[in-house]
Amino acid sequence: EVQLVESGGGLVQPGGSLRLSCAGSEFTFDNHWMSWVRQAPGKGLEWVANIEHDGSKIDYVDSVKGRFTISRDNAKNSLYLQMNSLRAEDTAVYYCARGESSYGYILDYWGRGTLVTVSS
Amino acid sequence: DIVMTQSPDSLAVSLGERATVHCKSSQSILNRSNKKNYLTWYQQKPGQPPKLLIYWASTRESGVPDRFSGSGSGADFTLTISSLQAEDVAVYYCQQYYSTPHTFGQGTKLEIK
Repeated sequence: EVQLVESGGGLVQPGGSLRLSCAGSEFTFDNHWMSWVRQAPGKGLEWVANIEHDGSKIDYVDSVKGRFTISRDNAKNSLYLQMNSLRAEDTAVYYCARGESSYGYILDYWGRGTLVTVSS
Repeated sequence: DIVMTQSPDSLAVSLGERATVHCKSSQSILNRSNKKNYLTWYQQKPGQPPKLLIYWASTRESGVPDRFSGSGSGADFTLTISSLQAEDVAVYYCQQYYSTPHTFGQGTKLEIK
């Protein structure tokens, strides 16, 4: 069965950095777009970024542009989110999600998420 | 950015009854060339990640019970659960993928009456 496992979350001070990872298994990783979606505690879902199969096309929500960088290593079946200049409002569970094979913007599998807390 | 607005924010329905959630986009998310509406519905149960239910506004994901259906076009969409089961208690989200950022609705919390 498709598995996505996020890691790298934790407590970080405002202005700090964190790198999230997502390991994919039981599917052909480089056939799929991948995305990050976040959910602040008790709040709704917010799409953060996505990346095409080979990394050639990337998009971000405006609130993270210039601070976050999405990347992937297909040889390692892994997706990453480098988060810099973190703010309190970035506190959330960050989910990694797979794009459906026929249309990569449809998120058909999600990991269980990793919690990022930005606080002094 | 396209704003997605769901109604109601919360809903209580008796077991076996119909539940209806509405989703409205601030602009049309219908691609007239392929006649597809770029909308998905997700279900999120407490402590779990979201689960894909419906895509292209009305196509049910494999394995999703047929009591779940999606309808609508342009800027107005509906998720219907024809006969509510106890396991359907969750928060439901719509999302548009017509243009980035791929915005979500605020969610509708569905409970048993």
